[in-house]
Amino acid sequence: QQQVKQSPQSLIVQKGGISIINCAYENTAFDYFPWYQQFPGKGPALLIAIRPDVSEKKEGRFTISFNKSAKQFSLHIMDSQPGDSATYFCAASGNRDDKIIFGKGTRLHILP
Amino acid sequence: DAGVIQSPRHEVTEMGQEVTLRCKPISGHNSLFWYRQTMMRGLELLIYFNNNVPIDDSGMPEDRFSAKMPNASFSTLKIQPSEPRDSAVYFCASLSGVRKQYNEQFFGPGTRLTVL
Repeated sequence: QQQVKQSPQSLIVQKGGISIINCAYENTAFDYFPWYQQFPGKGPALLIAIRPDVSEKKEGRFTISFNKSAKQFSLHIMDSQPGDSATYFCAASGNRDDKIIFGKGTRLHILP
Repeated sequence: DAGVIQSPRHEVTEMGQEVTLRCKPISGHNSLFWYRQTMMRGLELLIYFNNNVPIDDSGMPEDRFSAKMPNASFSTLKIQPSEPRDSAVYFCASLSGVRKQYNEQFFGPGTRLTVL
């Protein structure tokens, strides 16, 4: 019940296209869903996050869509750029817990 | 602020040797996390501290692993004896004690450990 399942494992998108990464969770106590971005040789960094009181959160070209009933959430990257090439992790936590459960990650490559 | 500082950045050691990884969290942060990242298992939480006290060590793989946080500005992760399957990138992250809408963990650059 602590798992966060992420797909796909890897993704190749043409420059200017839309990148979509999906995640699903089981624990209904989760109330915080961040996405982290990791470049090669660096640690992960918070990209965008959402709480389940809203169905969508947008920051620039990055959007989280959240479906509470389906227990799914996704990251959409609009107008994908080569600089977006990185590994993306979805995650979840709840009950005011500082611990975050991470998905396995998606390696995104944007073709120039 | 310099961010989370980890040392060494790279460590190559032989099986059976003791390995100590070090972390300095961001000043003022009161939670500290140790993660291990591998291709097969992704990003795994090993242990985390709050106000220098270990809160959850359920991710520590076995007794060969130990972690300490003697004060608010320093933590160590020790592996003794090390084994080739311990080869991974180890990250330290810290979290502010000030509760915000989105609690952001700040990660260090990681230590790449290779056990031969």
